[in-house]
Amino acid sequence: QKEVEQDPGPLSVPEGAIVSLNCTYSNSAFQYFMWYRQYSRKGPELLMYTYSSGNKEDGRFTAQVDKSSKYISLFIRDSQPSDSATYLCAIGAGNTGKLIFGQGTTLQVKP
Amino acid sequence: DGGITQSPKYLFRKEGQNVTLSCEQNLNHDAMYWYRQDPGQGLRLIYYSQIVNDFQKGDIAEGYSVSREKKESFPLTVTSAQKNPTAFYLCASSKSYNEQFFGPGTRLTVL
Repeated sequence: QKEVEQDPGPLSVPEGAIVSLNCTYSNSAFQYFMWYRQYSRKGPELLMYTYSSGNKEDGRFTAQVDKSSKYISLFIRDSQPSDSATYLCAIGAGNTGKLIFGQGTTLQVKP
Repeated sequence: DGGITQSPKYLFRKEGQNVTLSCEQNLNHDAMYWYRQDPGQGLRLIYYSQIVNDFQKGDIAEGYSVSREKKESFPLTVTSAQKNPTAFYLCASSKSYNEQFFGPGTRLTVL
């Protein structure tokens, strides 16, 4: 079993839809959780960072963490064609700074 | 402007040749990382360094080498021992054991 599981998609939605992206993880020692957005042939860009259960909102993006279920989500409201990218979850533990990445979900928002 | 730079953007290697990828940051970050990304896969950690003159192997260090002589610089050498080096290489840095920020990447192709 992989430490972090993420459905690779692809996921295709119409413009304006609410998008839900998800990851599950196996190790309860994981303490902090991130979402990155990666456009084709570019470096990943940090979208959201959280270390506690619950919701964190930033504009159209909401990150949700459920430590009891070992489940994290990223919601995108009012999705735009410019949101079309690959979204990577990343999870870390302890003081090594090491992150474990999900496979990435490819999202396409159609005008 | 603060950020992470990687060079070159594209690199071509002949069989049996060593090549070095450059990574520089002016964010005053202590930790630096090298990842490899293959199509449809998440990021896999090659090497990381938390302080100058010290570095640790990641999950796929075989066939790679690094140095950390300056805080700002963390070059990666892909040696001839790496049998399948064609991939997208990403450098990242972080201030603490939390958010990592990525450079634009180097695409390496073996001829």
